[in-house]
Amino acid sequence: EPEVTQTPSHQVTQMGQEVILRCVPISNHLYFYWYRQILGQKVEFLVSFYNNEISEKSEIFDDQFSVERPDGSNFTLKIRSTKLEDSAMYFCASSGSSGYKNIQYFGAGTRLSVL
Amino acid sequence: AQKITQTQPGMFVQEKEAVTLDCTYDTSDQSYGLFWYKQPSSGEMIFLIYQGSYDEQNATEGRYSLNFQKARKSANLVISASQLGDSAMYFCAMRVDFTQGGSEKLVFGKGTKLTVNP
Repeated sequence: EPEVTQTPSHQVTQMGQEVILRCVPISNHLYFYWYRQILGQKVEFLVSFYNNEISEKSEIFDDQFSVERPDGSNFTLKIRSTKLEDSAMYFCASSGSSGYKNIQYFGAGTRLSVL
Repeated sequence: AQKITQTQPGMFVQEKEAVTLDCTYDTSDQSYGLFWYKQPSSGEMIFLIYQGSYDEQNATEGRYSLNFQKARKSANLVISASQLGDSAMYFCAMRVDFTQGGSEKLVFGKGTKLTVNP
């Protein structure tokens, strides 16, 4: 069964360092998303991406964040200068379409720990 | 603004019994979708079931069914014949369409932690 793959599963970094979280969406999907979940809190939308550009982003997704689809399979989230409050689980999701019947499938997540 | 409310922080059920997890939503949109995801202790987010706002019948997927009451704006998840492996966090979510760009996002509730006792 096709699945969304995220690497690494756990990333530990020092405050101020750059991190890149990687995702391989389901192969024929066209829409890509990043969400985050701070420990014990609800899942929050960060950004959606379609046709090689950002479709929408939340207020959380400030200038420290960027996304890229560097090739035909990978989708990355970069945090340029990490802060303690960036510690969270980051989920990548993909979907084949948008609209009424659309379902977003999530990866297993990357747990980011900023020290 | 669109919102999902899950009022049960934790629920307990005996193995093989049925359990209902509550979810209410708030939206002024006519077209929307409601989802349930399962998050085991390992952390991944697993899609369980989907209900569209125009779907007249309640969605079912194996042991999962969604009790959709549109007038009450509720979309409760029913798990029949609970198994020990059902112990997890369960999140209700709603699709919110952005007015421009044809994109969308999911808005999640705070989740319900289900514990299945042997």
